[in-house]
Amino acid sequence: DTQMTQSPSSLSASVGDRVTITCRASQGIDKYLAWYQQKPGKVPKLLIYAASTLQSGVPSRFSGSGSGTDFSLTISSLQPEDVATYYCQNYNNAPPITFGQGTRLEIK
Amino acid sequence: EVQLVESGGGLVQPGRSLRLSCAASRFNFYDYAMHWVRQPPGKGLEWVSGISWNSGHIGYADSVKGRFTISRDDAKNSLYLQMNSLRPEDTALYFCVKARSGYDYDAFDIWGQGTMVTVSS
Repeated sequence: DTQMTQSPSSLSASVGDRVTITCRASQGIDKYLAWYQQKPGKVPKLLIYAASTLQSGVPSRFSGSGSGTDFSLTISSLQPEDVATYYCQNYNNAPPITFGQGTRLEIK
Repeated sequence: EVQLVESGGGLVQPGRSLRLSCAASRFNFYDYAMHWVRQPPGKGLEWVSGISWNSGHIGYADSVKGRFTISRDDAKNSLYLQMNSLRPEDTALYFCVKARSGYDYDAFDIWGQGTMVTVSS
């Protein structure tokens, strides 16, 4: 199985900051990587798929990059509504589909 | 609006069974792979099982293999998860999710609200 490791596990940043979350796969997964946002008490929401393709309706301040084993999610200018836990997901080498452990983002 | 609505969760004793259902609406259900994802209270996401658009390809997480069975009824636009020999570690919020494309394993673009399963004596 492909293990997904996110870093950091949590972070605190100020409104307007550029924020980057990384995700590392235990083996190459090409670009079969998605990012999700889960706000407190809410359902996960797809932000990015195929490593860098923005899902329809997602604000352009979100972007994704990477391929193979190393990926990142960047928020160009952090907004208060971005407080959430973010998960990466591998859908290559499936089954199983695997998720990272999550990164909790807070406002400083 | 595209919608997934789960039902069938509840409190069940260890070793017993439960069947979850998911009703889909406002999209061509028969065109898409469907999956179950669970989230234990306060923890992260875990993929449970997936079924291809034509039921020809089915996959399970090792943690549920041999105990859970996924199925679909395209005539009813419904997805199911039969859960047998339930364990306390199966306690979680179970989400029904839609794959983004017709490919069996893809990102999940639509999530239901979830149904809670609690396994406890």
